[in-house]
Amino acid sequence: LAKTTQPISMDSYEGQEVNITCSHNNIATNDYITWYQQFPSQGPRFIIQGYKTKVTNEVASLFIPADRKSSTLSLPRVSLSDTAVYYCLLNNAGNMLTFGGGTRLMVKP
Amino acid sequence: NAGVMQNPRHLVRRRGQEARLRCSPMKGHSHVYWYRQLPEEGLKFMVYLQKENIIDESGMPKERFSAEFPKEGPSILRIQQVVRGDSAAYFCASSPPRTVQETQYFGPGTRLLVL
Repeated sequence: LAKTTQPISMDSYEGQEVNITCSHNNIATNDYITWYQQFPSQGPRFIIQGYKTKVTNEVASLFIPADRKSSTLSLPRVSLSDTAVYYCLLNNAGNMLTFGGGTRLMVKP
Repeated sequence: NAGVMQNPRHLVRRRGQEARLRCSPMKGHSHVYWYRQLPEEGLKFMVYLQKENIIDESGMPKERFSAEFPKEGPSILRIQQVVRGDSAAYFCASSPPRTVQETQYFGPGTRLLVL
């Protein structure tokens, strides 16, 4: 199974931009890169998904270089409520998701 | 459009009892996935079902665990003769019929505590 590697934890301050990088050296041609956010005692929440280049929605941006061996989730101007665990996953249609340990983001006032 | 619904949200069982966890997928979704999460860990895949079919159960323990997704009604994850090690959060996710960019949407989870 393709694996992803991401930092265990990150700290930031309110109003800053946060970039979380994920490595996926063995990504397959038909894999999409997906990011989820999870708050304590809640289910993971879909944030963004992409295949290549850049994807942006109302919550975040996802940057994927041409070789697709890594990706960067960018959260603009974080607030305290963005404190959560962020998971980077690879998925393709019909397959289960493989979760790693995620990145614990702590946003401080 | 309601999201994925799971019930109960919390379930307490004594060792040896049975636990039944229910999941109603989002409207229009025909694929259901079950995951288990231990404290401070990521989610672990258990089983993938479509209506009346188990597609992939490679993550299910060989004994005591079973899952179904009947033609009518919610998907059920059943744990027989529960043990303390079954205490965890169990999440259900659903997705629409297979597309190129399949996204799984998760429910709020059921927290099982085995005494």
